[in-house]
Amino acid sequence: KQEVTQIPAALSVPEGENLVLNCSFTDSAIYNLQWFRQDPGKGLTSLLLIQSSQREQTSGRLNASLDKSSGRSTLYIAASQPGDSATYLCAVPPYNTDKLIFGTGTRLQVFP
Amino acid sequence: ETGVTQTPRHLVMGMTNKKSLKCEQHLGHNAMYWYKQSAKKPLELMFVYSLEERVENNSVPSRFSPECPNSSHLFLHLHTLQPEDSALYLCASSQGSGQTTDTQYFGPGTRLTVL
Repeated sequence: KQEVTQIPAALSVPEGENLVLNCSFTDSAIYNLQWFRQDPGKGLTSLLLIQSSQREQTSGRLNASLDKSSGRSTLYIAASQPGDSATYLCAVPPYNTDKLIFGTGTRLQVFP
Repeated sequence: ETGVTQTPRHLVMGMTNKKSLKCEQHLGHNAMYWYKQSAKKPLELMFVYSLEERVENNSVPSRFSPECPNSSHLFLHLHTLQPEDSALYLCASSQGSGQTTDTQYFGPGTRLTVL
């Protein structure tokens, strides 16, 4: 059974810092890995999707890496800003299923 | 705005009430999803519809009844809920046929409280 873990559960940093959020999964048989952002009381916004054949994806100040064999992904946020404050979720779709398995998220607060 | 809207945004209901949650997507997508997000738990998939046919049902109790009358609308009918059903209910849509190789676009959710 696929399990997804995110560390740390919460993170509070001053503006300008570079951050690394971690995601690990127990079963490496996945189609892709997806990172989402969720603002308080709101839905999810897709940030990055890394196909299983890829090693990383970049979007602006965000860079996500995938090491499928070790069951790990990291989300790197460069030069963090207060507007980055949100909960960040990773999710993986196992083979032969039509569903995403989500982690519990990392709650990030960036203060001025 | 993601192109996926949900109403109502907040709902308080008693255990004997019947209510419905509505989701509408304006993206021309073929697949729609219902998720449940409880406090301190991972997001859980409830139902997946592809081209108005249910393709996934993750053993959800029968007090939750989905309806997909067309590819743009998805409902979740609620009856005789329990307090533990209180959660944020999220709707999502994707372009493909419900496969998880597609990016899903989420609505803002309905915050449900069952008294």
